[in-house]
Amino acid sequence: SQTIHQWPATLVQPVGSPLSLECTVEGTSNPNLYWYRQAAGRGLQLLFYSVGIGQISSEVPQNLSASRPQDRQFILSSKKLLLSDSGFYLCAWSVLAVGGYTFGSGTRLTVV
Amino acid sequence: GEDVEQSLFLSVREGDSSVINCTYTDSSSTYLYWYKQEPGAGLQLLTYIFSNMDMKQDQRLTVLLNKKDKHLSLRIADTQTGDSAIYFCAVPHSGNQFYFGTGTSLTVIP
Repeated sequence: SQTIHQWPATLVQPVGSPLSLECTVEGTSNPNLYWYRQAAGRGLQLLFYSVGIGQISSEVPQNLSASRPQDRQFILSSKKLLLSDSGFYLCAWSVLAVGGYTFGSGTRLTVV
Repeated sequence: GEDVEQSLFLSVREGDSSVINCTYTDSSSTYLYWYKQEPGAGLQLLTYIFSNMDMKQDQRLTVLLNKKDKHLSLRIADTQTGDSAIYFCAVPHSGNQFYFGTGTSLTVIP
């Protein structure tokens, strides 16, 4: 069966520090992978998506970057965090859009 | 881009029916989805409906689709306290992405 792992679950980082959030998928090949941010417990903002290794599309210009070093691994990074980077980050995968997304359990990032 | 709108809040009494509404603008969507998010958790796929259907029932859940008006609704029968969560409708876009509504926070009053 397909599963998605996202870690860490919570993270408190100082302003200006780097960030690395990791997401891995099991039980499927060549998934589409996504990073979303949810601010204030509500709307979902698509940050990045990837249709294959090394292929990253950015939806929102910002302080963050994403990489996909392996087929089932998706990493969200920042060199220097800002206070405005705080939020709930969700990783998701799909094989086809018609199948819907499967979401990870999320990472609560607080930048202090 | 796609505009997907939902009411922000809904409160119902336990045992009553809940109806969560969603309107969208992209008429080319072939599937439409409902997700549930419990506090502090990721989104869980609840149900979906093909655009050539106008109703789908799955146990306590009923999805209604009015393509002409671009209106989607989720009805939860016999609402329970465990149904308290945020509900998102989602509309596919460009084959690889979804547009999500703003989410409706459902509060079930015992």
